[in-house]
Amino acid sequence: EPEVTQTPSHQVTQMGQEVILRCVPISNHLYFYWYRQILGQKVEFLVSFYNNEISEKSEIFDDQFSVERPDGSNFTLKIRSTKLEDSAMYFCASRALAGALSYEQYFGPGTRLTVT
Amino acid sequence: DAKTTQPNSMESNEEEPVHLPCNHSTISGTDYIHWYRQLPSQGPEYVIHGLTSNVNNRMASLAIAEDRKSSTLILHRATLRDAAVYYCILRDGSGGGADGLTFGKGTHLIIQP
Repeated sequence: EPEVTQTPSHQVTQMGQEVILRCVPISNHLYFYWYRQILGQKVEFLVSFYNNEISEKSEIFDDQFSVERPDGSNFTLKIRSTKLEDSAMYFCASRALAGALSYEQYFGPGTRLTVT
Repeated sequence: DAKTTQPNSMESNEEEPVHLPCNHSTISGTDYIHWYRQLPSQGPEYVIHGLTSNVNNRMASLAIAEDRKSSTLILHRATLRDAAVYYCILRDGSGGGADGLTFGKGTHLIIQP
């Protein structure tokens, strides 16, 4: 069964450093997403991406965040200057193109980001 | 997205049916009812969705009240692997709504052996 993959599984970085989290969505999917989950808290939507541009972003997704689909398979989340509060599990998700927004999103296993 | 209300936690015994309730009294006519679950240390996983009629798939059943103000996710025979946080999420199917999923706190389902 096709699945979303994410690398690395765990990333440790120092405050102020840049990190890039990588995702390979399911191959025939066209909508891509990033979510985060701070330990013990709710899963929070960050951004959605379609047709090589951001289609929606939350208040959390400020100027320090950016997303890119550099080639036909990878989808990346870059955090320019990490802060302690960026420590969280980051989930990538993808969705097949459908006529309505009723179709399911498939989530990856997540990357645990620890900022020290 | 319209708001949903779920119990914080529920407990059930292995191999028994589980009924997970969700209230969504402000649901609009174009909102689909989605259920996701999150097993420990994993990403969320789609379970089932519906609009008006009851739905069945290999994982679960979804029973939707006639007025659509509530729904129930039914696990017919719970296993230890079903222990997870279950999220009830409304999604606007008209195409004009937000695309990102809004997760609440969900229901923490505990399965006793």
